[in-house]
Amino acid sequence: DTAVSQTPKYLVTQMGNDKSIKCEQNLGHDTMYWYKQDSKKFLKIMFSYNNKELIINETVPNRFSPKSPDKAHLNLHINSLELGDSAVYFCASSRNSQSSGNTIYFGEGSWLTVV
Amino acid sequence: DQQVKQNSPSLSVQEGRISILNCDYTNSMFDYFLWYKKYPAEGPTFLISISSIKDKNEDGRFTVFLNKSAKHLSLHIVPSQPGDSAVYFCAASDQGAQKLVFGQGTRLTINP
Repeated sequence: DTAVSQTPKYLVTQMGNDKSIKCEQNLGHDTMYWYKQDSKKFLKIMFSYNNKELIINETVPNRFSPKSPDKAHLNLHINSLELGDSAVYFCASSRNSQSSGNTIYFGEGSWLTVV
Repeated sequence: DQQVKQNSPSLSVQEGRISILNCDYTNSMFDYFLWYKKYPAEGPTFLISISSIKDKNEDGRFTVFLNKSAKHLSLHIVPSQPGDSAVYFCAASDQGAQKLVFGQGTRLTINP
């Protein structure tokens, strides 16, 4: 059983389209994240949610809208896709966000290519 | 402003020898450090961590050393095995920020 699972794994879409990436964790964690790995391979946080509440929004464009229907799910919706959105998006979770010392567990990634 | 830096993009080591991966950070508020391992087409997998109150943490073949005065940590793998070939990311966090900041990764190749 995959602890953090995200779908789809690969997505190729045209500029201007709207797409969603879904994420689910079965670890019972309170906190979920979206990270982006760009072409330079840096892994950078985009959002984090704790018990369905947004706690970090790392100056991500408004075209990106995370939605957390419950604490086990954090979906990422992207409007009006641009070429620069091409990247690998990783969902992750941790027990809570209240202290450092939390280990973050990652999903396998979603490879988004905008053409 | 890259707060966590891995200055070696790649490292090649012979099987059975020691692999040493390095990481530097600039934010003195970081109090927890982690190493992740990533295979192609997979997500990063947690490997080992260390709190800032310690200077060494060991788990089997993996040891992480922390030098707070130099703002430097390193991961030692000994003996290195072919299955250790992967990209290794250093990450750091501080309680206030509630997030992990990652380095850009070092690709380790273990040669038979």
